[in-house]
Amino acid sequence: EVQLVESGGGLVQPGGSLRLSCAASGFSFKNYWMTWVRQAPGKGLEWVANIKYDGNEKFYVTSVKGRFTISRDNAKNSLYLQLTNLRPEDTALYYCARTTTGATFFDSWGQGSLVTVSS
Amino acid sequence: QSALTQPRSVSGSPGQSVTISCNGTNTDVGAYNFVSWYQQFPGKAPKLLIFDVYKRPSGVPDRFSGSKSGTTASLTISGLEAEDEADYYCCSYAGVYSGIFGGGTKLAV
Repeated sequence: EVQLVESGGGLVQPGGSLRLSCAASGFSFKNYWMTWVRQAPGKGLEWVANIKYDGNEKFYVTSVKGRFTISRDNAKNSLYLQLTNLRPEDTALYYCARTTTGATFFDSWGQGSLVTVSS
Repeated sequence: QSALTQPRSVSGSPGQSVTISCNGTNTDVGAYNFVSWYQQFPGKAPKLLIFDVYKRPSGVPDRFSGSKSGTTASLTISGLEAEDEADYYCCSYAGVYSGIFGGGTKLAV
């Protein structure tokens, strides 16, 4: 069974940083592209970033480019999202999801990690 | 890039059919046959219902079907059941390995 478990969320001040982690199990992590999707409280889903299976290519939504960094450690079956220069509008539940080559859909999701940006 | 446009809410009675629309542009929905749909219950993670416009993952009932015409994709739920009451989101591939979601539709049964 595919399992994705996020961690690392919390309360951070504007301008601060945070690192989210996603522990994957139940599938061959090194063979899959992975994604972060976020959902602001009471709002819809927003795609944030994708990373190729080998970590060599990364793609971001415009609003986080230069501030967020997606990475992975295939030896540890783990996905990461480094969030820097955080803004109040980054407050959201961040989901880790498994995706297809090319990231055309997201077939397994974690339960999310909440990031709150507030002073 | 703006979110895909979905109705904020739809409703139907048990046994009826409902269709949720998802309006995009020629750079996302209209450009690729990579539309997917997700079901989300309150406090839960989204679940994949439909991928590649009309394909269903194993385990998803055939009451759920997807289609696309031009820049509009649609999710149809036939034989509505009370447990279908949830939020539904469309998503389209938008080029350069990026995705764009719709704003979500709340289904009341």
